[in-house]
Amino acid sequence: EPEVTQTPSHQVTQMGQEVILRCVPISNHLYFYWYRQILGQKVEFLVSFYNNEISEKSEIFDDQFSVERPDGSNFTLKIRSTKLEDSAMYFCASSPFLGTGEQFFGPGTRLTVL
Amino acid sequence: GESVGLHLPTLSVQEGDNSIINCAYSNSASDYFIWYKQESGKGPQFIIDIRSNMDKRQGQRVTVLLNKTVKHLSLQIAATQPGDSAVYFCAEKSQGGKLIFGQGTELSVKP
Repeated sequence: EPEVTQTPSHQVTQMGQEVILRCVPISNHLYFYWYRQILGQKVEFLVSFYNNEISEKSEIFDDQFSVERPDGSNFTLKIRSTKLEDSAMYFCASSPFLGTGEQFFGPGTRLTVL
Repeated sequence: GESVGLHLPTLSVQEGDNSIINCAYSNSASDYFIWYKQESGKGPQFIIDIRSNMDKRQGQRVTVLLNKTVKHLSLQIAATQPGDSAVYFCAEKSQGGKLIFGQGTELSVKP
């Protein structure tokens, strides 16, 4: 069964450093998403991406964040200068449709900013 | 505003009993809802969905009920098993496709 994969599973970085979180969505999906989950809290939407551009972004997704689909398979989230409060689980999701239908989530990357 | 919330943060049930997890939403224009299960250290996993033109939808051992009058969703799990232990989130899908998640309910199944 196809699945969304994410690497690395755990990233530790120093405050102010840049990190790139990687995702490989399911191959025939067209819509891509990043969410984050601070420990013990709900999952929060960050950004959606379709047709090589951002469709929607949340207030969390400020100028420090960027997304890219550098080739036909990868989907990346870059945080330019990490802050302590960026520590969270980051989930990538993809879906074949915009409307009804599930989004398929990856296993997540745990980002720890020291 | 947009918000989806859950009534109870934790629920403990005996193995074999039925579980009911509740969720309230605030956007009356929402037309699609999903329940996700999240096991420790994993990403959310789809359980069941329902469109706003339905009141009830059944899956394997799970049923979702939608009451649009009071903007309330529930997830019923029949014959709960230890493998059902997880955090359960309801989510509302916006027109743009993003999911708005509730706070989550942790289900604990006692053998």
